[in-house]
Amino acid sequence: GENVEQHPSTLSVQEGDSAVIKCTYSDSASNYFPWYKQELGKGPQLIIDIRSNVGEKKDQRIAVTLNKTAKHFSLHITETQPEDSAVYFCAASRGSTLGRLYFGRGTQLTVWP
Amino acid sequence: GAGVSQSPSNKVTEKGKDVELRCDPISGHTALYWYRQSLGQGLEFLIYFQGNSAPDKSGLPSDRFSAERTGGSVSTLTIQRTQQEDSAVYLCASSLGQGLLNEQFFGPGTRLTVL
Repeated sequence: GENVEQHPSTLSVQEGDSAVIKCTYSDSASNYFPWYKQELGKGPQLIIDIRSNVGEKKDQRIAVTLNKTAKHFSLHITETQPEDSAVYFCAASRGSTLGRLYFGRGTQLTVWP
Repeated sequence: GAGVSQSPSNKVTEKGKDVELRCDPISGHTALYWYRQSLGQGLEFLIYFQGNSAPDKSGLPSDRFSAERTGGSVSTLTIQRTQQEDSAVYLCASSLGQGLLNEQFFGPGTRLTVL
């Protein structure tokens, strides 16, 4: 089955700096890669996603890049703010429309004011 | 409703008791997923439904775990003879089940504590 590795497990940045979280996956058949943000006591919230036929996607301060050849994808957050502090999870899926997500173990991001 | 809802939000039970966890998906979503999140861990897949059938139940950890979905909407996850290692947050997600992307929207979860 698919194996998703996520690094780092913890990340601390100063407000205004950029944060980068990296994930690798093992199954070349995976074709959908979402990122989730989970705040304390809440369920994960989808923040951005990318399909395998796209190399980069951006939404305001958040961007995701995908390298299919190397089987890795990354989340970039620019101009970080304290409210960006949360646990971030990457995931991969074979099904572009349906099917289980394979999650990384998460990254605890702390943004210091 | 606006999002996925789950009940109860918290459940404390004694070892050996059975528990039922409920999930109400977003209206119109045909796919429904159950995941488990242990303390400090990632999300572990349990089972998913497309309509009322379960094409993938490979994540259920033992035969003490079962789930059903009726009417293509509400789903119930049942854990029989609970053990302390079952303590976790149980998360439900739903998606359209068709279209371009497998966007799964999560509920707030049920925190299960087995004493």
